[in-house]
Amino acid sequence: EDQVTQSPEALRLQEGESSSLNCSYTVSGLRGLFWYRQDPGKGPEFLFTLYSAGEEKEKERLKATLTKKESFLHITAPKPEDSATYLCAVNAGGTSYGKLTFGQGTILTVHP
Amino acid sequence: KAGVTQTPRYLIKTRGQQVTLSCSPISGHRSVSWYQQTPGQGLQFLFEYFSETQRNKGNFPGRFSGRQFSNSRSEMNVSTLELGDSALYLCASSLDPGAGEQYFGPGTRLTVT
Repeated sequence: EDQVTQSPEALRLQEGESSSLNCSYTVSGLRGLFWYRQDPGKGPEFLFTLYSAGEEKEKERLKATLTKKESFLHITAPKPEDSATYLCAVNAGGTSYGKLTFGQGTILTVHP
Repeated sequence: KAGVTQTPRYLIKTRGQQVTLSCSPISGHRSVSWYQQTPGQGLQFLFEYFSETQRNKGNFPGRFSGRQFSNSRSEMNVSTLELGDSALYLCASSLDPGAGEQYFGPGTRLTVT
């Protein structure tokens, strides 16, 4: 069974204090790993897709990386508006059509 | 391009009733997936439709069903509602029917009393 574990569960940062979120996964044949951001009361917002180990993607203050067992979401010099829940998800391909398996998320709070 | 839309946004139902939720995908997207989000279980996959066919189903009881129309719009139905069905129901659409990224709608908040 596909499993995704995110850590830490919650992270509090001061504005400008860089850090990383972790996503460990167990899947039989990774087809894609996805990062989403979710604000309270809203649907998840797509951030990145990573397909193979060694791949990196960047967007503004966020950078996602992928190894064979985990992914990291690096946040550089965060701002209060980066506060949100960050979700990691995997698709195992094969017969897992349209199915994303999600981790529990990391709640990020950035204080001014 | 308009995003994924879901109606209604909020719904209050009584235990034992049934409910139908609607989802309109991004134009051109033919794959639609449904998820249930609760504080305890997080986001859990319900089912996926592509070209009006259900290709995948999660571990939910048969009270949860869905369908997709020829214009790719999708509906999900929950019959004989239980208190535990209270959740945020999210619809997501994808251009790639394989392992492509999914774009989520705002969700329908269902409360069962």
